[in-house]
Amino acid sequence: DTAVSQTPKYLVTQMGNDKSIKCEQNLGHDTMYWYKQDSKKFLKIMFSYNNKELIINETVPNRFSPKSPDKAHLNLHINSLELGDSAVYFCASASRGVDTQYFGPGTRLTVL
Amino acid sequence: SQQGEEDPQALSIQEGENATMNCSYKTSINNLQWYRQNSGRGLVHLILIRSNEREKHSGRLRVTLDTSKKSSSLLITASRAADTASYFCDDSQGGSEKLVFGKGTKLTVNP
Repeated sequence: DTAVSQTPKYLVTQMGNDKSIKCEQNLGHDTMYWYKQDSKKFLKIMFSYNNKELIINETVPNRFSPKSPDKAHLNLHINSLELGDSAVYFCASASRGVDTQYFGPGTRLTVL
Repeated sequence: SQQGEEDPQALSIQEGENATMNCSYKTSINNLQWYRQNSGRGLVHLILIRSNEREKHSGRLRVTLDTSKKSSSLLITASRAADTASYFCDDSQGGSEKLVFGKGTKLTVNP
């Protein structure tokens, strides 16, 4: 009965590799987000999708590409991973017009 | 929404005591929300207070909002070890927009 789920929970990989993080929500929300939490604990928005359409795209390297196959899923693909990409990535979802966002458990990405 | 700033950055208390943390923001808001993050876990929504509200309660949580001072406080009464977590505030302009958090207040409740 998990509301917002992410896989994998932990991801350790080498520099230069390409990896994906998956996110799924079963709350019937139409808006989904990706956030990055760095080592200083700041949480920053990366992307937001509403009904599979991109509505927020902060200044994120184009090595990061979100993909939303349907309203319940928003996956994050990262090409040519760099050391600075190491962080915890959180997925979240919300209903449009409602402020409360529901977060997934996070994916800890470590780039070696 | 703008980045809320939580204060203090760290707070350590004994079980049973009350914990108060504060949040300041810069622009006018529609509402303000508090979230909790347990170590290594995702964010959990705690409570939302609207700009026309001054105080709101939820269980052991009490949130106040002073729009003239652009500040909010979160009070946790009769704290428990399980309250140990980082607490974040966010001020939203409304709508399904992004949330922006500061460093949060790290609360440690000692048994």
